Amino acid sequence: EDKVVQSPLSLVVHEGDTVTLNCSYEVTNFRSLLWYKQEKKAPTFLFMLTSSGIEKKSGRLSSILDKKELFSILNITATQTGDSAIYLCAGLGPLGTYKYIFGTGTRLKVLA
Amino acid sequence: NAGVMQNPRHLVRRRGQEARLRCSPMKGHSHVYWYRQLPEEGLKFMVYLQKENIIDESGMPKERFSAEFPKEGPSILRIQQVVRGDSAAYFCASSLRQGVLAETQYFGPGTRLLVL
Repeated sequence: EDKVVQSPLSLVVHEGDTVTLNCSYEVTNFRSLLWYKQEKKAPTFLFMLTSSGIEKKSGRLSSILDKKELFSILNITATQTGDSAIYLCAGLGPLGTYKYIFGTGTRLKVLA
Repeated sequence: NAGVMQNPRHLVRRRGQEARLRCSPMKGHSHVYWYRQLPEEGLKFMVYLQKENIIDESGMPKERFSAEFPKEGPSILRIQQVVRGDSAAYFCASSLRQGVLAETQYFGPGTRLLVL
C-alpha cells in the first residue's frame, strides 16, 4: 500500500532557528511530491517537486527531492512565529491517478 | 480570484441526522476532490469529481456517503445517518485540469463536522 511518512511528528524551535522537515514516500509509479502548510484553515500550497536533485526556493523556504532514496526535505531558515503550522507532504502516483497520499504532517511551533 | 469556498465551516449534527457539505471550486476549475482528516491523522482521499461525473470514489465509505458535482452549483458531500466516527474535518480541493503534468490541487478551509 502506498504511504508517506513524515518526521519529526512535532518540533519546537526559537525564532531565528533553521529547521529541516523530512518526508519519505513509497508511492507506486511516483510522479510528484507536494508540500503544504496548514494553519487553522486551508492547507496552502508550497512546492511541487517532480525532478530529483533540483531545489525549489521561496523566500526562507526551500525543498529538494531525492528520487533514488525516496525522500524529500523542507528547510525553513530564520524561522518566525508565523511559520508555526502543520507542514504536510503528499505523494502523487502515476498518470491517471488523482489522489494525493498525505503524511500525517509535522507540527512546527516557533517560539518568540 | 476567490479561492476554494466551503460551507458551513462548522457543522454539528446528532447521530442519525444528515450532513451536507458544500464546496465551490476556484473560478475556472472543473475538477473537485474531497478529503477527510481525522484527528491526528493525515488527509485521506475520498472522491474525485468533474461536472456531472464521479471519476474516482475509491476512498468513499460504501454506505451513507455520496457526492455530486452538478452542472450548476457547488459540489456536495452528503453523509446520511451520521455516527460519531464521522466527526472529522472535510476538505475540498480543486484543480484546473488533469493531464500529463501533475496538477496542483488548491484546498478550501474545510468543514469541521462534529457528531454528538
